Order: sequence, then structure tokens, then C-alpha cells
Amino acid sequence: GENVEQHPSTLSVQEGDSAVIKCTYSDSASNYFPWYKQELGKRPQLIIDIRSNVGEKKDQRIAVTLNKTAKHFSLHITETQPEDSAVYFCAASRGGADGLTFGKGTHLIIQP
Amino acid sequence: DSGVTQTPKHLITATGQRVTLRCSPRSGDLSVYWYQQSLDQGLQFLIQYYNGEERAKGNILERFSAQQFPDLHSELNLSSLELGDSALYFCASSQQGAPYNEQFFGPGTRLTVL
Repeated sequence: GENVEQHPSTLSVQEGDSAVIKCTYSDSASNYFPWYKQELGKRPQLIIDIRSNVGEKKDQRIAVTLNKTAKHFSLHITETQPEDSAVYFCAASRGGADGLTFGKGTHLIIQP
Repeated sequence: DSGVTQTPKHLITATGQRVTLRCSPRSGDLSVYWYQQSLDQGLQFLIQYYNGEERAKGNILERFSAQQFPDLHSELNLSSLELGDSALYFCASSQQGAPYNEQFFGPGTRLTVL
């Protein structure tokens, strides 16, 4: 089955700096790669996703890139703000009837 | 608010007992997914239902079962509970038929097994 590795497990950045979280996946049939943000005790919230026919997608301060050949994808957050502090999960899926396979999560800490 | 609802919010029970968790998907969504989130295992996919039928299975234990009813709500049944079953259980829903399955999560049910 699919295996998703996520790094780093903890990332501390100064407010205003950029943050990058990286994931690799194992199943070449995966074609959908969402990113979720989870605040303590709350539900995972979809913040951005990318499909396998696209190399990059941006939404304001958030961008995601996908390298299908290398089987890795990354989340980029620019101009970080205190409200960006949370745990971020990457995931992969073959779409259709598949559930999501999640990485272990990255605890992003924004230092004031 | 994602539009996905789950009840109860919290559940405390004893080892060996059986519990039922309930999920109502977003209006119009036919697919329901169940996930378990624990500190050691992370977020794990358990099972998916589409329009009343089981579609995909993940790391679901034999002691666990689920079903989706004609009104599309779903229930996850956990039996012979063990301490290690203590976790947050999320359901998510998505529209089926599209090539990709954006999933929207409910608020979760926190299960504590004593």
C-alpha cells in the first residue's frame, strides 16, 4: 500500500519568514495530494491540494509543488503569522474510492 | 464548519465494552470515510462507504465495523474495546464520481477507554 513520509516533525520559524514542509510517497498510482492543517483538539482542515497533472498551485501565502518523477511534494508558507501555528499533514490518494494515507505531521511553531 | 457532523463529542467507557459513533456527511456527499487518530499511529484510514456500500478498507480491526444507512449517515461500531482503542475518531465526506476525492472532516469523537 501507499506510504507517506513527512519531514520535519517539528519546524520553528520566525514570524514573517517562510516555512517549507516536505513529503514523499511510494505509490506511483497516487494522483491526489492534499494538505491539512490541524489545531489542537480540532478537526483537520483542508488548506490546499494538488492533482498529479499539475506541478504547482498557489493560494495567497500558501503554495504546493509536486514532482511526480521523484515522488515528492512540498508545502510552502510565506510571510508566516502566529495563526499559522498548528500541525500540518500531507496525504496521498489514488482518488476515487481510496482513503487518504497521511504523513505523520509537522508541528509548525511561529516564533514572535 | 465543514458541514460534517459527528456525535457524541466525547465518550468514556470501559475495556470490553461496545460503542457506536455516528456521522452525518455534508449535504449532497455520498461518500463517508472513517479515520482514527492516535499519538502513536497518527491519522489512519479505517473504511469508506459510498451510497450505502463498502468501497474501501484500510487498517480497520476485525473488532470494528461500520455501515452507511439509506439517509447516508454512517455509524462506526467498536467492540471488545481495549485501552489502545482510545483515540480521536474522525469521519470525512466527499462527493463521489469526481476523479479526485476532496474530503472534509467532521469535528471528531474522542473515545477514552478506561
